[in-house]
Amino acid sequence: EAGVVQSPRYKIIEKKQPVAFWCNPISGHNTLYWYLQNLGQGPELLIRYENEEAVDDSQLPKDRFSAERLKGVDSTLKIQPAELGDSAVYLCASSLDSGTGGADTQYFGPGTRLTVL
Amino acid sequence: QKEVEQNSGPLSVPEGAIASLNCTYSDRVSQSFFWYRQYSGKSPELIMSIYSNGDKEDGRFTAQLNKASQYVSLLIRDSQPSDSATYLCAVNRGFKTIFGAGTRLFVKA
Repeated sequence: EAGVVQSPRYKIIEKKQPVAFWCNPISGHNTLYWYLQNLGQGPELLIRYENEEAVDDSQLPKDRFSAERLKGVDSTLKIQPAELGDSAVYLCASSLDSGTGGADTQYFGPGTRLTVL
Repeated sequence: QKEVEQNSGPLSVPEGAIASLNCTYSDRVSQSFFWYRQYSGKSPELIMSIYSNGDKEDGRFTAQLNKASQYVSLLIRDSQPSDSATYLCAVNRGFKTIFGAGTRLFVKA
């Protein structure tokens, strides 16, 4: 079974430029998460999708960040314009909602390392 | 106060010893608790989950949960150099997962 796929793996851009990250979750997983991880810190949730619905985007900086999950499968996270402080690893994770009330195992993709110059 | 706190380490143990990793959390309504291992430059992978008070064992790993004291720990027996990684404690409050900053573990051969 293929794991969570993310692309690109690395991205270097200049500040004020736009950038987009793509995630393909594990087949059949209805829940998809985007996390941001800074060096030496744990992942921080940006947005969680249940199928195509964003059910928790409270931590997403909506002035510059946007996300979509059309058809409830692949997802794209966009930053426009990027700032120096956005340099981090952006992780996508997916899980299968088994009715455990949030205790489902999350499987992480390899992440995209973003550097903003 | 952070919602999930861990000692950043590094924690250094000799090969074959027991490594003990600790985590405290602030929200008493937290329901599910997880330990993830993250190798340098890699993504987190789940190694243990625990939901009720007491111990849960899986191979060389034992997770311990004490909800009254709001702490969860991970014991790694017979530590191996391949266990050297950052261990992230994660706590679920409903559908929201809060991660600690992680403890770096070094196992010396």
